[in-house]
Amino acid sequence: QSVLTQPPSASGTPGQRVTISCSGSSSNIGTNSVNWYQQLPGTAPKLLIYSNNQRPSGVPDRFSGSKSGTSASLAISGLQSADEADYYCAAWDDSLNVVFGGGTKLTVL
Amino acid sequence: EVQLVESGGGLVQPGGSLRLSCAASGFIFSSFAMTWVRQAPGKGLEWVSGIRDGGGSTYYADSVKGRFTISRDNSKNTLYLQMNSLRAEDTAVYYCAKDFRPCSGGVCYFSGMCYWGQGTLVTVSS
Repeated sequence: QSVLTQPPSASGTPGQRVTISCSGSSSNIGTNSVNWYQQLPGTAPKLLIYSNNQRPSGVPDRFSGSKSGTSASLAISGLQSADEADYYCAAWDDSLNVVFGGGTKLTVL
Repeated sequence: EVQLVESGGGLVQPGGSLRLSCAASGFIFSSFAMTWVRQAPGKGLEWVSGIRDGGGSTYYADSVKGRFTISRDNSKNTLYLQMNSLRAEDTAVYYCAKDFRPCSGGVCYFSGMCYWGQGTLVTVSS
């Protein structure tokens, strides 16, 4: 069971906006920044969002992140078939380790 | 160009040992904390261990504490993971990764992993 809680699945149609939630506690999301990863099948994860809401160079602005209290969200607007992937949230935990969410499988219908 | 190349994976019996390596290039290795993350077949990501830039401090997931040892050789730009007392549940693809931020002012960063290796498969089975 993962320390950060994500819904196991999400779905949307092309062009739609979807959000993925990530719930933690005061020892991780509550006091540290949240990062989001996208993992396409058979590939290594890719950093999608860092420091709660920052996009690395090359990540489209269709992807956005937010954080409030001990929860965070990833939003994807203008959904595309290429966005079909697994998405993970992660944060540093004050118990001196990194904690991940269990992952959310996004399906584009 | 940043490159992280893992090696050392393979098939090992339960109770056995294995040492993974991660050869780094394209960045100032000694300025960054480094991390191992694993992914069991069909499962999610699990952070395994991290090490500060100078190697003086190491961190472990509870699931591997006391069995795995992370280390680094900054003169060789190489990260290691010594895995002992391996169990079937350690079967996974092991990735090495680096944060996008170098250590600074005594603070190192572990959770914003912007570069990943291709992974090496460790299979623990009799």
